[in-house]
This record gives sequence, structure tokens and C-alpha cells, in this order.
Amino acid sequence: EDQVTQSPEALRLQEGESSSLNCSYTVSGLRGLFWYRQDPGKGPEFLFTLYSAGEEKEKERLKATLTKKESFLHITAPKPEDSATYLCAVRQGGSEKLVFGKGMKLTVNP
Amino acid sequence: DADVTQTPRNRITKTGKRIMLECSQTKGHDRMYWYRQDPGLGLRLIYYSFDVKDINKGEISDGYSVSRQAQAKFSLSLESAIPNQTALYFCATSDFAGYEQYFGPGTRLTVT
Repeated sequence: EDQVTQSPEALRLQEGESSSLNCSYTVSGLRGLFWYRQDPGKGPEFLFTLYSAGEEKEKERLKATLTKKESFLHITAPKPEDSATYLCAVRQGGSEKLVFGKGMKLTVNP
Repeated sequence: DADVTQTPRNRITKTGKRIMLECSQTKGHDRMYWYRQDPGLGLRLIYYSFDVKDINKGEISDGYSVSRQAQAKFSLSLESAIPNQTALYFCATSDFAGYEQYFGPGTRLTVT
């Protein structure tokens, strides 16, 4: 069965303190790994899609990378407005489903 | 205006009542999805639809039904609500390629 595990479950950083969030997955025939951001009381907001090992994508202070078993969301010099829950999801070849991890709550203190 | 809208945004109902949650989208996407989100469990797929005539069960469809009234509209019904259906419900859409999904703002449902 597909498994998506995010770690840590929660992370507190000081403003400017860079870190990485991990998403490990077990799926055959990966057809995409997706990162979303979710603010309290709102729907998930799409950030990135990665399709193959070695691929990287960047958006402002966020950079997502992909290996054959995991993805990292690197946050460089975070600001308080980066505080949110970050969700990882995978899509298996031949399936229309996205399998989501449980999310990682990031808090950035000023 | 938001691309994916959901109504109502909040709803409190009693056990045994029938309730309908509605989703509309202006993205022009063919595919629509219903998820529920519970603390500690993440997002789980309830139903999904590729077009008006194609509806499929997700991993937790028991106790739910759906209706795809048009390309832009996808409704979720709870025929007889029970307390463990208390959750956040999200509608999402994607294009034919089915990769990135775009979510609505959610409906917070409480069943007492």
C-alpha cells in the first residue's frame, strides 16, 4: 500500500533560521510528488510538482527536491508569513488518486 | 473571484439529518474531487469524477453520495449524518492531465 510519511510533524524556527522538511514515500511508478501549503481554515494551496529524481523547483524562499525515496522542502531564511502546514502527496502510475501525508506544521517566530 | 467555491462554509447539523455540500468551479477543469480532512489523519479521498457521466468511489465513500450536475458543479451528500462525519470537507479540481489539484476553501461540518 502507498505510504507517505512527513517528518517532523511540527517544527518551530526563528525568523531567518533555514531548515528542511522531509517527505518519504513508497509507491511504484511515481507519477508525481506534490507539495501544498495550508493555512488555518483554508484549503491547500498548490506549491510544486516534481516528477523525477534529481528534479528541483524553487519559489521565493522554498526549494523542493526529489530523490527516488523522498522529497525535501528546503526553507531558506524563513519569515513569520511562512508559518503554515505543509502537505506532501504522491500519485502512482495508473491511479487517479493523490495519497497525502499527514502534514507538517511549521511555525516561524519573529 | 475564487476559482473553486464551496457552500456552505460552516454547517452544524444533527445526527440523522440529510445534508448536501456544494462545489462550483470556474477553472474549466473536467475532474473534480471530494476529500475530508481530520486531525492526525490527513486528507482522504471520498469520491471523484472525471466528467458528468463518470463518478468513482474513493477510499472512504461509505455513508456519502455525490452528484455531478454539470462540468462545473459537484455535490456531496450525507444521507443520514453521524457524529464521526464531523470534519473539514474540501472540493478540488484538476485538468485532464489530472496532476495538480486545486482546492476550494473547505466546509467545516459538525454533526451533533
